[in-house]
Formats: sequence, C-alpha cells, structure tokens
Amino acid sequence: DSGVTQTPKHLITATGQRVTLRCSPRSGDLSVYWYQQSLDQGLQFLIQYYNGEERAKGNILERFSAQQFPDLHSELNLSSLELGDSALYFCASSGVFGGEQFFGPGTRLTVL
Amino acid sequence: AQSVTQLGSHVSVSEGALVLLRCNYSSSVPPYLFWYVQYPNQGLQLLLKYTTGATLVKGINGFEAEFKKSETSFHLTKPSAHMSDAAEYFCAVTLNTGGFKTIFGAGTRLFVKA
Repeated sequence: DSGVTQTPKHLITATGQRVTLRCSPRSGDLSVYWYQQSLDQGLQFLIQYYNGEERAKGNILERFSAQQFPDLHSELNLSSLELGDSALYFCASSGVFGGEQFFGPGTRLTVL
Repeated sequence: AQSVTQLGSHVSVSEGALVLLRCNYSSSVPPYLFWYVQYPNQGLQLLLKYTTGATLVKGINGFEAEFKKSETSFHLTKPSAHMSDAAEYFCAVTLNTGGFKTIFGAGTRLFVKA
C-alpha cells in the first residue's frame, strides 16, 4: 500500500459526459502528479501540482483540467468524453520536490 | 526533446538467469532516473532511483542499475530471475523544468520461464 488513494476504482460513462477523479496523496506529500495509461499511448504525464499550484504540464488535453485543494487532495476533471479517453488514470505523490513518486491504484475509466 | 527508450517491449528469461532490461534516455539537463515495476491491475512501485552520487544504485528485490552518462543509459539488472519478477518494468526520467515533468518509457514486459 503506497498510501495514495484514488476514487472511484472503476468508472463507466458515456461519450460527451463529464467525470471527476479524486486523489488523496500520502500524508505530508505536497506534490501530486496525474498520469494516463492506455495500450496505444503508454504512460503519459498529464500534470503536476505542488502545494496547490500547477508546476508542470504534460500532454493534457484542453478538455481535461485538474486542481489541488488546500487539504492537498487533487481532482482531475475530464469533460466532453470520447471513446479514446478510456484508460487507467493514475495519481502519484511525492514528498521531496522531484523525488520518487508513490502511485495510487488507479481509476479505470471506460467511455461507451 | 527529452525522451526515454526501452529496448524490447517483451523480454523472456528462464528462472535463475540474468535479467537485463535496457533503458536509454535523452535529456538536455541532468536527469533524475527511475525504474518502476507494475504488477497486473496495480499501480507502479519504485524499484530504484538515481539522482546524484554513486552511479551504481541498488533497489528492492535484488535489482540494480548503473547510470552511464557517456552512454545515456540506465539499464536494469538482476543476477538471478525469480518467477515473482514477472511484471512490466518502466524506466522514467524526471526533469526539473520549474516543476517536475516525468517521462516514462514504453515499458518492458518481463516473462520468467520455469
């Protein structure tokens, strides 16, 4: 158990819908990272937050957005969903800025 | 552009044999290098990391990796494979861009034959 929690574990929705994925980092970790893992794209970095501020951005679509709240939990919002958004979404946290990341179990999103 | 290349999407070894998973990277700034392992239906778990200092780093479960700057490589090895090592392995580079952007390789699935 990494100490990072993600909810929900599974999510099934329809095209065009909007969903919110939630992540609680390990106690004391200030950095949160979001990743998308799919068979065709592999593991792609989406975005990093540090203590509530966006610090690094990767291949995140404009339809996707994230935020980190004062209690350090983070949410990833995915809107206007397409079939291709079906993937595993991982959250990770780290305590040391730039250090090793501890991954949550992931949220499996299926868009029908 | 920064990138991570893992040679071989699938590697098969016999139990007790040497495991060698290859990783090459390109980076314009000194990278932090990591190897992660992913078991089926689970998140990623850190095996080992290189940030600074000794270039040969030891990780969990008997794995080690050597950072070779001249070859821009960070290959993962284990002297003797165990059935429980069967999993997917990811090499990753974290770059300090003001924030920390992490680039993962495509992954190498390790099969261990009895």
